[in-house]
Amino acid sequence: ETGVTQTPRHLVMGMTNKKSLKCEQHLGHNAMYWYKQSAKKPLELMFVYNFKEQTENNSVPSRFSPECPNSSHLFLHLHTLQPEDSALYLCASSRRGGADYEQYFGPGTRLTVT
Amino acid sequence: GDSVTQMEGPVTLSEEAFLTINCTYTATGYPSLFWYVQYPGEGLQLLLKATKADDKGSNKGFEATYRKETTSFHLEKGSVQVSDSAVYFCALSDVGDYNNNDMRFGAGTRLTVKP
Repeated sequence: ETGVTQTPRHLVMGMTNKKSLKCEQHLGHNAMYWYKQSAKKPLELMFVYNFKEQTENNSVPSRFSPECPNSSHLFLHLHTLQPEDSALYLCASSRRGGADYEQYFGPGTRLTVT
Repeated sequence: GDSVTQMEGPVTLSEEAFLTINCTYTATGYPSLFWYVQYPGEGLQLLLKATKADDKGSNKGFEATYRKETTSFHLEKGSVQVSDSAVYFCALSDVGDYNNNDMRFGAGTRLTVKP
């Protein structure tokens, strides 16, 4: 138990569906992250939020839409996804502003796009 | 930019064997270095870290030393167990734009330990 929870743990969706992934951290951190983990590829950083403000978007397609209503919650809204978007989506949180601040990860949402 | 390179897997060992997973980094500043572990069906968990040169991080029998002269942070364990089977990620972190913790991960090394 890392203090970061993600729901749902598994999601199957069609290419025309709209769904959302939820992340919540109970650690008092002020930075939150979305990562994509695909088989045979390195971990890809998608978005970074600091104090609810998006500070990084690594050229992620617009079919992925993040939302951070407060420093404890992070959402990833999904619409019109492609089969290649099937992956494990990981949320993480950390304190901000120090290189020695490790990131704490949730268990991930395994997404399958059919 | 900053980057991490770790040995490719998979690595297969017998129980009680000695483990080394190599990790080297490239950085312009003074990063902190980490090893994370990912067990099947789970997210990444911090295994150990070191924040400055010559520091040794250790946890659960694993250890790694921050070597600035060789830009390395190799992971070692003297006697592995079946329960150590997982994917291991080397990572570095520095403070980047917007005061972000800019963390870079290696590609991961899958370890399988056989009884």
